[in-house]
This record gives sequence, structure tokens and C-alpha cells, in this order.
Amino acid sequence: AQTVTQSQPEMSVQEAETVTLSCTYDTSENNYYLFWYKQPPSRQMILVIRQEAYKQQNATENRFSVNFQKAAKSFSLKISDSQLGDTAMYFCASLYSGAGSYQLTFGKGTKLSVIP
Amino acid sequence: DTGVSQDPRHKITKRGQNVTFRCDPISEHNRLYWYRQTLGQGPEFLTYFQNEAQLEKSRLLSDRFSAERPKGSFSTLEIQRTEQGDSAMYLCASSSENNGGNTIYFGEGSWLTVV
Repeated sequence: AQTVTQSQPEMSVQEAETVTLSCTYDTSENNYYLFWYKQPPSRQMILVIRQEAYKQQNATENRFSVNFQKAAKSFSLKISDSQLGDTAMYFCASLYSGAGSYQLTFGKGTKLSVIP
Repeated sequence: DTGVSQDPRHKITKRGQNVTFRCDPISEHNRLYWYRQTLGQGPEFLTYFQNEAQLEKSRLLSDRFSAERPKGSFSTLEIQRTEQGDSAMYLCASSSENNGGNTIYFGEGSWLTVV
């Protein structure tokens, strides 16, 4: 079974500053995927960034980047130049697609507030 | 490319009534998922379809819950004899086997309140 832990229930950051959200996971599998999803107050879950476990290079999407430490089973999200629209719940999730299973396992989320 | 759409967005029902939610996935996505999310928690997996076949069900999906995807396109999730503990957001998601099925896109969810 996979578990995902987000140890920061709430965080805040000043607009234009940088913030890092933490995530650790536990899996015995070698082939898996990691994701960060954003859920604004409107409630739709939006994919922010994904990382394939077999890739050593950290994924980057514009202002969003990850620090993937496979040995430590750590997958943190860095948001640069924070904007007011970044205010949302952020969920870290893992996916192991072996044996025909496609379950995403989510952490409990981190509520991020961007302060003007 | 339209996203995953769900209907209704909000439903208030009395305990003991049946409710049905509909999900239309992104066109040409052959995989469809249902998740449940309660306040302050991350989504929890309920069930998964590949085309019309229901391939995986969580133990969270009790006998009162049934999901179908009869033609491999839209899906319905029915909850019979609703209980107050069923109050939650029901999220539908889809993905395409063609891109490895490893990027899953979510709809806006259907909020259920059982009174």
C-alpha cells in the first residue's frame, strides 16, 4: 500500500516570494508517478506538475518546480514569484500503475495563502 | 478540448433517498475514476473503469453504491438509501491509455448533503 504525508496543514507566503510545500511518500514499488494538484476555493482539482519516478531530472512547469529525492522518498513543490491566484489547497499524490491498478493516493493537503 | 463535467454540482437529499451523479469524461479518455472527498481530507479512491469494464473497486464502495459506464463514455454513480455519512464531494476523473494513463484530470465535483 502507498501512503502520502503532507506535514504542513497550512502555510502562508507574501506575494512575489517563494514557498516550498513538503511531501513524503512510502512505496515499495520502483515504477510510480508523483503529482501535485491544486484545489482552489472553487473546488476543481487542477494538475500542477507530475514526476516520473524513473526520471532523475526534477520536473518544472513555469513558476512551479519539484525537488524529487527518490532515496529519501521526498517530493516537495516550490512555487516561485507567488501570486494571489496561487491561494488554494495543494495535494501531493502518488500513482502506482502496476498490476492494472490506477489508484491515486493523496495526502491530506496543505492550505496555502498568498498574502498581498 | 472540454474538461470532465459532472452533474449535478450540488444535491441536497433526505436520509434514505437515492441519488445519482453523472460524469462525462474528456472525449476519447477511456479510463474513468470516481473519488470521494470529505472536508479537510484528500480525495479517496472509489472505483475505476477502463472503457465499460469496472476493473477496480475500493472497500469504501459499500453495497449501497453502484457505478456504471454502459457504453464506455459517460458514467453514473448511484447511492441508495443515503446516510448522513455519505455527505461529501464526489469527484470524477478521466485519463487516456494512450499517454500511459498516468495523468488524471478531475471534474469540478458533485457536492452531496444528506439531511
